[in-house]
Amino acid sequence: ETGVTQSPTHLIKTRGQQVTLRCSSQSGHNTVSWYQQALGQGPQFIFQYYREEENGRGNFPPRFSGLQFPNYSSELNVNALELDDSALYLCASSPTHQGLHSPLHFGNGTRLTVT
Amino acid sequence: SQQGEEDPQALSIQEGENATMNCSYKTSINNLQWYRQNSGRGLVHLILIRSNEREKHSGRLRVTLDTSKKSSSLLITASRAADTASYFCATGINAGGTSYGKLTFGQGTILTVHP
Repeated sequence: ETGVTQSPTHLIKTRGQQVTLRCSSQSGHNTVSWYQQALGQGPQFIFQYYREEENGRGNFPPRFSGLQFPNYSSELNVNALELDDSALYLCASSPTHQGLHSPLHFGNGTRLTVT
Repeated sequence: SQQGEEDPQALSIQEGENATMNCSYKTSINNLQWYRQNSGRGLVHLILIRSNEREKHSGRLRVTLDTSKKSSSLLITASRAADTASYFCATGINAGGTSYGKLTFGQGTILTVHP
């Protein structure tokens, strides 16, 4: 069973630039969620994708957007990067057949640094 | 905003001792989950307890849930140096529709187990 994989592992960008982060969900999982984890904090929910549509969004501005593809892989796009966007971005997948009690399976994250 | 608040923020113990971490939350929940994170990597799911359950065990882990007090505790018995990590509680809320991947995390407890 292949776990959740994310790329790249590390990324350095300049303020104002745009970035795309990628995630391959665990085999058989059709729901993908993205989280932002600032240093020393718990993860914050950005949004979730199910059947290629955004299905729930946290308190993040529209410059955070995403996609889910037919193979359930996903992208997180952030436009007009700000210094406060520096964080660990985590992707998590889950199988919807377990409903609301599905544990999340996380990737190892992408460490984004904005200078 | 953070739904869960962990206590203590940091815990330092000797190998073989028990470690207890507490979590409080604010709103009604469907389930409460505990995750572990090693040094800025991805989170690993440990245990899930549903709102109609009071106690759950998994190996050396014991989780309790008191919905009247909106609190949970995680007990790790006979701790090992390899248990050194950050531990997070996360609550799943039925926000309508398929909110499978939307968890609200606390700020975590940093556990250090000395050999």
